[in-house]
Amino acid sequence: EVLLVESGGGLVQPGGSLRLSCAASGFTFSNFAMTWVRQAPGKGLEWVSAISGSGDSTYYADSVKGRFTISRDNSKYTLYLQMNSLRAEDTAIYYCAKDPRDSGSWYKYFDYWGQGTLVTVSS
Amino acid sequence: EIVLTQSPATLSLSPGERATLSCRASQSVSSYLTWYQQKPGQAPRLLIYDASNRATGIPARFSGSGSGTDFTLTISSLEPEDFAVYYCQQRSNWLTFGGGTKVEMK
Repeated sequence: EVLLVESGGGLVQPGGSLRLSCAASGFTFSNFAMTWVRQAPGKGLEWVSAISGSGDSTYYADSVKGRFTISRDNSKYTLYLQMNSLRAEDTAIYYCAKDPRDSGSWYKYFDYWGQGTLVTVSS
Repeated sequence: EIVLTQSPATLSLSPGERATLSCRASQSVSSYLTWYQQKPGQAPRLLIYDASNRATGIPARFSGSGSGTDFTLTISSLEPEDFAVYYCQQRSNWLTFGGGTKVEMK
């Protein structure tokens, strides 16, 4: 059974940093691209960042480019999102999501999602 | 950036009725259109990929159609568990989501 469990969310002041983790199980992690998608309270979905299965290719939405860094440790079956220079508009539930194809390339749609971790940026 | 516009914003229907949800793209996305369902407090769930392919385990009452700029998600006969928010997403040019359609019980 595929399982994705996010952690690391919490309350942080504007300008602060946070690192999110997504622990994966139930599939060969290194074979699949992974993506972070966020959802502000009561709002729609927004793609944040993605990484190929090998970790060689990374992708960022313009809204987070230069502030967020995605990475993965395939030996630990874990995906990360390092978030720096956080702003109030980064407040959201952050989901990690798995690509459906085991090519390692980013297919840009998602067959499994974690339950999310809430990040609140406020003073 | 490709903008996806979903309509209507809210659809009020009764169980057993047919639901027709629309997603319109600002430019052609070919067939690279995905539909998700999201219930309150839950993560999105994949329903349809590449415009018309049902994901594993999705009931046959869900169907997708369209190509280019106009897409439709149809729920042939609403079950109580289908009342939720539905999002479309394109992957033709980077990745964007529509604003969602809420299907609520009348």
